[in-house]
Amino acid sequence: QKEVEQDPGPLSVPEGAIVSLNCTYSNSAFQYFMWYRQYSRKGPELLMYTYSSGNKEDGRFTAQVDKSSKYISLFIRDSQPSDSATYLCAMSSASGGSYIPTFGRGTSLIVHP
Amino acid sequence: GAGVSQTPSNKVTEKGKYVELRCDPISGHTALYWYRQSLGQGPEFLIYFQGTGAADDSGLPNDRFFAVRPEGSVSTLKIQRTERGDSAVYLCASSLSTSSSPYEQYFGPGTRLTVT
Repeated sequence: QKEVEQDPGPLSVPEGAIVSLNCTYSNSAFQYFMWYRQYSRKGPELLMYTYSSGNKEDGRFTAQVDKSSKYISLFIRDSQPSDSATYLCAMSSASGGSYIPTFGRGTSLIVHP
Repeated sequence: GAGVSQTPSNKVTEKGKYVELRCDPISGHTALYWYRQSLGQGPEFLIYFQGTGAADDSGLPNDRFFAVRPEGSVSTLKIQRTERGDSAVYLCASSLSTSSSPYEQYFGPGTRLTVT
């Protein structure tokens, strides 16, 4: 079993839909939780990060962390075709001060007009 | 400002050859990371530099892989005796290593390595 599990999709939704993307993890030492967006043939781009449990909102994006369930989510409201990309969750502990993230395999999102 | 740049963007080499991949981090970023991303997978950690020194190289798969960062800025990932299984996108990322933002890594576009 991988440390971070993420459904690869693809997830196809109509424009304007609310999108829910999720990851589960097994390492209880993880404290930092990130979501990256990766367009085809580009490097990942940090969207949001959260420390420990709770919610964080930024525009149309909301990140949730439930450490008791080892489950994190990213919600996208009013999805747009430009949101079509692969979404990677990542998480890290502060072990040795390196903050090296462990990534999920990514979920491919397609938002059609 | 300029982001992380990587060269070449694409590299095709024959099995057994030696390759070097270059990464130019964001100016002032002291932390630099190398990752490998295979098709349909997330980035997999290879090595992390803090300044000039390799602080963690636990992700390097074997001794054919080596990386340097001699002046604390540009880094080169070196792969000897390449194998077809080395084919992947090699990503570089950099970050400020302050306590408030060590996890905010900025990625380059990657080098797509194909070993034939």
